[in-house]
Amino acid sequence: DVKVTQSSRYLVKRTGEKVFLECVQDMDHENMFWYRQDPGLGLRLIYFSYDVKMKEKGDIPEGYSVSREKKERFSLILESASTNQTSMYLCASGGLAGTDTQYFGPGTRLTVL
Amino acid sequence: GQSLEQPSEVTAVEGAIVQINCTYQTSGFYGLSWYQQHDGGAPTFLSYNALDGLEETGRFSSFLSRSDSYGYLLLQELQMKDSASYFCAVRLSGFQKLVFGTGTRLLVSP
Repeated sequence: DVKVTQSSRYLVKRTGEKVFLECVQDMDHENMFWYRQDPGLGLRLIYFSYDVKMKEKGDIPEGYSVSREKKERFSLILESASTNQTSMYLCASGGLAGTDTQYFGPGTRLTVL
Repeated sequence: GQSLEQPSEVTAVEGAIVQINCTYQTSGFYGLSWYQQHDGGAPTFLSYNALDGLEETGRFSSFLSRSDSYGYLLLQELQMKDSASYFCAVRLSGFQKLVFGTGTRLLVSP
Protein backbone atom coordinates (compact mmCIF):
# COMPACT_ATOMS: atom_id res chain seq x y z
CA ASP A 1 0.00 0.00 0.00
CA VAL A 2 1.14 3.51 -0.78
CA LYS A 3 1.87 5.45 2.35
CA VAL A 4 2.11 9.19 2.70
CA THR A 5 2.85 10.45 6.18
CA GLN A 6 2.84 13.94 7.60
CA SER A 7 4.83 15.00 10.62
CA SER A 8 1.93 16.29 12.72
CA ARG A 9 -1.84 15.90 12.79
CA TYR A 10 -2.37 19.06 14.81
CA LEU A 11 -0.11 22.05 15.23
CA VAL A 12 -0.56 25.35 17.05
CA LYS A 13 1.82 28.20 16.32
CA ARG A 14 2.01 31.89 17.03
CA THR A 15 1.96 34.72 14.51
CA GLY A 16 5.43 35.35 13.13
CA GLU A 17 6.81 31.90 13.88
CA LYS A 18 8.57 29.87 11.21
CA VAL A 19 6.66 26.65 10.63
CA PHE A 20 7.84 23.44 8.98
CA LEU A 21 5.42 20.81 7.73
CA GLU A 22 7.04 17.56 6.66
CA CYS A 23 5.73 14.95 4.25
CA VAL A 24 7.24 11.57 3.41
CA GLN A 25 6.10 9.04 0.80
CA ASP A 26 7.32 5.49 0.36
CA MET A 27 6.37 4.76 -3.26
CA ASP A 28 9.25 6.38 -5.11
CA HIS A 29 6.91 8.88 -6.75
CA GLU A 30 8.46 11.72 -8.72
CA ASN A 31 5.62 14.13 -8.06
CA MET A 32 4.70 15.56 -4.67
CA PHE A 33 2.17 18.25 -3.83
CA TRP A 34 1.11 20.55 -1.00
CA TYR A 35 -2.51 21.70 -0.73
CA ARG A 36 -4.49 23.66 1.76
CA GLN A 37 -8.14 22.92 2.35
CA ASP A 38 -10.61 25.45 3.68
CA PRO A 39 -14.40 25.11 4.00
CA GLY A 40 -16.16 26.00 0.77
CA LEU A 41 -12.91 26.45 -1.14
CA GLY A 42 -11.97 22.85 -1.84
CA LEU A 43 -8.36 21.85 -2.33
CA ARG A 44 -6.02 24.60 -3.44
CA LEU A 45 -2.52 23.83 -4.64
CA ILE A 46 0.28 25.70 -2.90
CA TYR A 47 3.39 24.17 -4.46
CA PHE A 48 4.40 21.00 -6.18
CA SER A 49 7.62 19.24 -7.06
CA TYR A 50 8.25 16.93 -10.00
CA ASP A 51 11.78 15.93 -9.02
CA VAL A 52 14.39 16.41 -6.32
CA LYS A 53 15.28 20.08 -5.91
CA MET A 54 12.64 21.02 -8.52
CA LYS A 55 9.55 22.97 -7.56
CA GLU A 56 6.70 24.81 -9.19
CA LYS A 57 4.30 27.35 -7.75
CA GLY A 58 0.71 26.34 -7.49
CA ASP A 59 -2.29 28.60 -7.28
CA ILE A 60 -1.63 30.16 -3.86
CA PRO A 61 2.15 30.18 -3.18
CA GLU A 62 2.30 33.53 -1.39
CA GLY A 63 3.64 33.22 2.15
CA TYR A 64 4.95 29.70 1.58
CA SER A 65 8.12 28.03 0.37
CA VAL A 66 9.07 24.39 -0.13
CA SER A 67 12.07 22.14 -0.03
CA ARG A 68 12.72 18.79 -1.68
CA GLU A 69 16.21 17.58 -0.89
CA LYS A 70 15.33 13.88 -1.17
CA LYS A 71 12.85 12.15 -3.44
CA GLU A 72 10.74 10.81 -0.61
CA ARG A 73 10.47 14.02 1.40
CA PHE A 74 8.71 17.29 0.60
CA SER A 75 8.59 20.09 3.16
CA LEU A 76 6.30 23.10 3.32
CA ILE A 77 7.66 26.16 5.09
CA LEU A 78 5.72 29.11 6.42
CA GLU A 79 8.43 31.74 6.80
CA SER A 80 6.36 33.94 9.12
CA ALA A 81 3.06 32.39 10.07
CA SER A 82 -0.05 34.56 9.95
CA THR A 83 -3.57 33.93 11.20
CA ASN A 84 -4.89 33.62 7.64
CA GLN A 85 -2.71 30.55 7.23
CA THR A 86 -4.80 28.67 9.75
CA SER A 87 -6.00 25.73 7.68
CA MET A 88 -5.81 22.02 6.94
CA TYR A 89 -2.64 21.20 4.99
CA LEU A 90 -2.59 18.10 2.84
CA CYS A 91 0.41 16.51 1.19
CA ALA A 92 0.06 14.18 -1.78
CA SER A 93 2.30 12.17 -4.04
CA GLY A 94 1.80 10.51 -7.38
CA GLY A 95 0.04 12.15 -10.27
CA LEU A 96 1.16 9.26 -12.37
CA ALA A 97 0.54 9.55 -16.07
CA GLY A 98 -2.36 7.45 -17.25
CA THR A 99 -4.39 7.60 -14.08
CA ASP A 100 -3.61 10.96 -12.49
CA THR A 101 -3.95 9.24 -9.14
CA GLN A 102 -2.69 11.20 -6.17
CA TYR A 103 -2.19 9.63 -2.75
CA PHE A 104 -2.84 11.91 0.18
CA GLY A 105 -1.42 12.04 3.66
CA PRO A 106 -3.70 12.37 6.71
CA GLY A 107 -3.31 16.15 6.84
CA THR A 108 -2.01 18.65 9.37
CA ARG A 109 -4.48 21.00 10.98
CA LEU A 110 -2.51 24.16 11.64
CA THR A 111 -3.80 26.89 13.92
CA VAL A 112 -1.96 30.19 14.00
CA LEU A 113 -2.79 32.34 17.01
CA GLY B 1 -8.58 29.88 -16.88
CA GLN B 2 -10.16 26.78 -15.51
CA SER B 3 -12.97 26.07 -13.09
CA LEU B 4 -14.89 22.99 -12.02
CA GLU B 5 -18.36 23.39 -10.61
CA GLN B 6 -20.12 20.91 -8.37
CA PRO B 7 -23.26 21.14 -6.25
CA SER B 8 -22.33 21.97 -2.68
CA GLU B 9 -24.54 19.34 -1.09
CA VAL B 10 -26.63 16.32 -2.07
CA THR B 11 -28.86 14.24 0.20
CA ALA B 12 -30.20 10.73 -0.35
CA VAL B 13 -31.42 7.68 1.56
CA GLU B 14 -29.81 4.30 2.01
CA GLY B 15 -30.24 2.02 -0.98
CA ALA B 16 -30.88 4.87 -3.39
CA ILE B 17 -28.88 6.01 -6.40
CA VAL B 18 -27.31 9.45 -6.49
CA GLN B 19 -25.51 11.36 -9.22
CA ILE B 20 -22.96 14.08 -8.47
CA ASN B 21 -22.30 16.37 -11.41
CA CYS B 22 -19.16 18.19 -12.38
CA THR B 23 -19.16 20.83 -15.08
CA TYR B 24 -15.96 22.43 -16.16
CA GLN B 25 -14.53 25.25 -18.19
CA THR B 26 -11.05 24.45 -19.30
CA SER B 27 -9.24 24.55 -22.57
CA GLY B 28 -7.77 21.07 -22.51
CA PHE B 29 -7.10 18.28 -20.07
CA TYR B 30 -6.02 14.67 -19.90
CA GLY B 31 -8.89 13.21 -17.91
CA LEU B 32 -11.42 13.62 -15.12
CA SER B 33 -10.79 12.10 -11.69
CA TRP B 34 -12.98 11.65 -8.63
CA TYR B 35 -11.89 11.59 -5.00
CA GLN B 36 -13.77 10.78 -1.80
CA GLN B 37 -13.05 12.41 1.55
CA HIS B 38 -14.65 11.45 4.84
CA ASP B 39 -14.80 14.04 7.60
CA GLY B 40 -11.40 14.28 9.25
CA GLY B 41 -9.83 12.02 6.65
CA ALA B 42 -7.65 12.35 3.59
CA PRO B 43 -9.01 12.38 0.03
CA THR B 44 -8.82 8.97 -1.61
CA PHE B 45 -8.89 8.23 -5.32
CA LEU B 46 -12.11 6.71 -6.67
CA SER B 47 -12.03 6.73 -10.46
CA TYR B 48 -10.56 8.22 -13.60
CA ASN B 49 -12.03 8.86 -17.07
CA ALA B 50 -9.50 9.46 -19.81
CA LEU B 51 -12.04 8.89 -22.57
CA ASP B 52 -15.70 9.76 -23.01
CA GLY B 53 -18.10 7.24 -21.62
CA LEU B 54 -18.83 5.30 -18.48
CA GLU B 55 -16.28 3.65 -16.18
CA GLU B 56 -17.66 1.24 -13.60
CA THR B 57 -16.01 0.17 -10.36
CA GLY B 58 -18.36 -1.79 -8.16
CA ARG B 59 -21.14 0.44 -6.83
CA PHE B 60 -19.47 3.55 -8.24
CA SER B 61 -19.46 4.65 -11.86
CA SER B 62 -18.03 7.76 -13.47
CA PHE B 63 -18.95 9.36 -16.76
CA LEU B 64 -17.27 11.91 -19.00
CA SER B 65 -18.49 13.86 -22.01
CA ARG B 66 -15.83 16.20 -23.36
CA SER B 67 -18.20 17.67 -25.96
CA ASP B 68 -20.57 18.73 -23.17
CA SER B 69 -17.78 19.73 -20.72
CA TYR B 70 -19.52 17.53 -18.19
CA GLY B 71 -18.93 14.54 -16.02
CA TYR B 72 -20.63 12.80 -13.14
CA LEU B 73 -20.09 10.27 -10.39
CA LEU B 74 -22.89 7.77 -9.90
CA LEU B 75 -23.23 5.97 -6.59
CA GLN B 76 -25.60 3.01 -6.43
CA GLU B 77 -27.03 1.07 -3.48
CA LEU B 78 -26.06 3.89 -1.17
CA GLN B 79 -24.75 3.01 2.25
CA MET B 80 -24.34 5.19 5.32
CA LYS B 81 -20.57 4.95 4.93
CA ASP B 82 -20.88 6.76 1.59
CA SER B 83 -21.60 9.99 3.48
CA ALA B 84 -18.55 12.03 2.57
CA SER B 85 -17.36 14.84 0.34
CA TYR B 86 -16.67 14.07 -3.30
CA PHE B 87 -14.31 16.07 -5.49
CA CYS B 88 -13.84 16.05 -9.24
CA ALA B 89 -10.44 17.02 -10.61
CA VAL B 90 -8.73 17.49 -13.98
CA ARG B 91 -5.10 17.48 -15.01
CA LEU B 92 -4.61 20.22 -17.52
CA SER B 93 -2.75 19.50 -20.74
CA GLY B 94 0.95 20.18 -20.36
CA PHE B 95 0.84 20.28 -16.57
CA GLN B 96 1.54 17.82 -13.78
CA LYS B 97 -0.87 19.33 -11.32
CA LEU B 98 -4.54 18.60 -10.73
CA VAL B 99 -7.25 21.24 -10.45
CA PHE B 100 -9.97 20.26 -7.99
CA GLY B 101 -13.61 21.25 -7.82
CA THR B 102 -14.95 22.73 -4.60
CA GLY B 103 -16.51 19.43 -3.59
CA THR B 104 -19.98 17.99 -3.00
CA ARG B 105 -21.02 16.90 0.45
CA LEU B 106 -23.18 13.76 0.26
CA LEU B 107 -25.43 13.02 3.23
CA VAL B 108 -26.95 9.54 3.32
CA SER B 109 -29.82 9.05 5.76
CA PRO B 110 -31.42 5.80 6.97
